[in-house]
Amino acid sequence: GQNIDQPTEMTATEGAIVQINCTYQTSGFNGLFWYQQHAGEAPTFLSYNVLDGLEEKGRFSSFLSRSKGYSYLLLKELQMKDSASYLCAVLDSNYQLIWGAGTKLIIKP
Amino acid sequence: SQTIHQWPATLVQPVGSPLSLECTVEGTSNPNLYWYRQAAGRGLQLLFYSVGIGQISSEVPQNLSASRPQDRQFILSSKKLLLSDSGFYLCAWSVTGVEYNEQFFGPGTRLTVL
Repeated sequence: GQNIDQPTEMTATEGAIVQINCTYQTSGFNGLFWYQQHAGEAPTFLSYNVLDGLEEKGRFSSFLSRSKGYSYLLLKELQMKDSASYLCAVLDSNYQLIWGAGTKLIIKP
Repeated sequence: SQTIHQWPATLVQPVGSPLSLECTVEGTSNPNLYWYRQAAGRGLQLLFYSVGIGQISSEVPQNLSASRPQDRQFILSSKKLLLSDSGFYLCAWSVTGVEYNEQFFGPGTRLTVL
C-alpha cells in the first residue's frame, strides 16, 4: 500500500527553527509537495521537490532524498502566523497526489 | 488569474437528506478537478477526480457521487447523507497534461450531518 508518515503535532518557540519530517512509501514517485493549512481554511502551496537536495524559498526550505523516501520542511525565524498544519503529499506513478495526515505546528511566544 | 469558488461555506443537514455542493473554476480551460474530504484532524481523502466533461473517477466507494456538467463546474452529490459524511469538503483544480501537478484549492465547505 501507499503510506506517508508525518508527526501529528510539534511545538516550537517564536523566532526559533523547526524541522517537520515526512517519510513516504508510494508506488512510484514524481515529486513531493508541502502545503500549509490554517485551521478551517484550504491548503496553500509551499514547495515542490522532484530532485534530491534542498530548495530554499525565503524562511521556508524543503529537502528531498529519494533513495531514503524522506523529506523535511524547515521553517526559520518562526512567527506566530506560522501556526498551522503542514501537509506532505507525494505524486505517485499515476500522477495522483497521496496525502499525509499533516503535522499541526504550535508556535509559542 | 484563476480563481476557484465553492458554496455553500457551511452546511448543517439531517441524516437521510440529500446533498449538493458546487465548485466552479474561472480563468482556465479544461482543468483537472478534484473533490476531497477532510475529517477533523485528519489528512485529505480524495473522493473523485475528473479530467474532462462527463469523465469522473471514483476513488472511494460510498454514498456520494460527482458530476461535471460543464468544463469548469464540478458537483458533489448524495441522495441520503450519513453521519459519517460530516467533514470539510474541498474542491481543487490543476492544469491538464503537465507532470507538475500542483493543485489549487477552493475555500471549502464544512458539512455537519446531525
